[in-house]
Amino acid sequence: KQEVTQIPAALSVPEGENLVLNCSFTDSAIYNLQWFRQDPGKGLTSLLLIQSSQREQTSGRLNASLDKSSGRSTLYIAASQPGDSATYLCAVLHAGGTSYGKLTFGQGTILTVHP
Amino acid sequence: DAGVIQSPRHEVTEMGQEVTLRCKPISGHDYLFWYRQTMMRGLELLIYFNNNVPIDDSGMPEDRFSAKMPNASFSTLKIQPSEPRDSAVYFCASSSKIQGSQPQHFGDGTRLSIL
Repeated sequence: KQEVTQIPAALSVPEGENLVLNCSFTDSAIYNLQWFRQDPGKGLTSLLLIQSSQREQTSGRLNASLDKSSGRSTLYIAASQPGDSATYLCAVLHAGGTSYGKLTFGQGTILTVHP
Repeated sequence: DAGVIQSPRHEVTEMGQEVTLRCKPISGHDYLFWYRQTMMRGLELLIYFNNNVPIDDSGMPEDRFSAKMPNASFSTLKIQPSEPRDSAVYFCASSSKIQGSQPQHFGDGTRLSIL
C-alpha cells in the first residue's frame, strides 16, 4: 500500500528565507507527483506536477524535484513571503494495479511565514 | 472558466438525517473525484468516475455512502443515514485525464457537521 510522508509537519520562518519541504513515498510505480497548496477553508490549488519521467518543474519562486527511484520529492520556495503561508500537500498518482488513477496524499506541511 | 463548484459550502444536520452533497465539474473534464478530509486521516479518495461511470469506489466507507453522476455536469454524494463520525470536509475534483500532465482541480469543499 502506497504511503506518503511529509516532513516537517509544520514550519515557521521569517520572511525572505529560502525553504525546503520534503515528501517521500513507498511505491515508485507512479505516473506523477503533484504539489498542492491549501488555504484555510479552501480547496486545493495545484502548484506543480512532475511526471514520472521528469526530474523537476519550476514555477516562479517554486521548484519541485523528483527522484522516483528513491521515492523522494522536495519543494523549494525561494524568498518566502507572508502570502506563502498555507498547508502544502504532496500527492502521488498511482500507475497501476488496483490503485490505478488514485492520488495518495501526504498529511501536509503547515507553513507560516512571518513578517 | 468557472472551476469546480460544490454545494452547499456548509451543512449541519442531526444524526440519522440524509445528506446530499453536490458537485459541478469543470466543463470538458472526463474524470470526477470525491474526497474526504479529516484531521485524523487526511485526504482520502472515496470514489471516482470516468465519463459518468463509477470506476473505483473502494474508498467508500460504508453502504450508507452512495455517489451518482447522472450526466457530465453533475454529481452527488449521499449519506443515509448520517452519523457523527461522517463529520469532515468533502471535496470534489475533476480532471481532463488521469495520466500525464493534467492536475486535478478541486472545489472549495463542503464542511459537514453531524450532531
